[in-house]
Amino acid sequence: QVQLEQSGAEVKKPGASVKVSCKASGYTFTNYGISWVRQAPGEGLDWMGWIITYNGNTNYAQKFQGRVTMTTDTSTSTAYMEMRSLRSDDTAVYYCARWDLPDGPFDYWGQGTLVTVSS
Amino acid sequence: DIVMTQSPDSLAVSLGERATINCMSSQSVLYNSDNKDYLAWYQQKPGQPPKLLIYLASTRESGVPDRFSGSGSGTDFTLTISSLQAEDVAVYYCQQYYNSPWTFGQGTKVEIK
Repeated sequence: QVQLEQSGAEVKKPGASVKVSCKASGYTFTNYGISWVRQAPGEGLDWMGWIITYNGNTNYAQKFQGRVTMTTDTSTSTAYMEMRSLRSDDTAVYYCARWDLPDGPFDYWGQGTLVTVSS
Repeated sequence: DIVMTQSPDSLAVSLGERATINCMSSQSVLYNSDNKDYLAWYQQKPGQPPKLLIYLASTRESGVPDRFSGSGSGTDFTLTISSLQAEDVAVYYCQQYYNSPWTFGQGTKVEIK
């Protein structure tokens, strides 16, 4: 069965970086894209960007450009999202989600990774 | 950016009654070349990731109960729960994947009256 297993919760200080992983199983990793979506406490869903797994092409939401890098390791079917220069308002649950290439909805989601930014 | 606006923000419906959620996009999400609307609906229960219910505006995802249905085209869409069950208490989001950045509505909270 399709699974997206994300790394554990993180606590970071303002200005630090965080890297969240998303390990896929149960399907051919390079046949689907991976997107990242975050959700601040009590808030809605905020799309951050996507990566096309077979060629590494990325597309970031403008608000995250310059601070976020999405990568994949096809040998381990793992996607990564790194965010730099963390601020307190980056405190959120970060989800990875699979989408059908070339343009599909998010049909499977990871369980989420809570990133807390606090001094 | 395409802005997605849902209404209402919350609603309370009696068990077995119909729940209707609306979603409006600031521009059409209908792709003319294939005549498909790139609009999805998700359900999110507390402490869980979102779950895909409907895609292409009206196609039910495999395993989703048939009491959930989607309709609409262009800029106006509706998610209907024909007979509300206790397990349907959740927040529902619409999302357009027609144009980057992919955007979500603000969410509609559905509760039992």
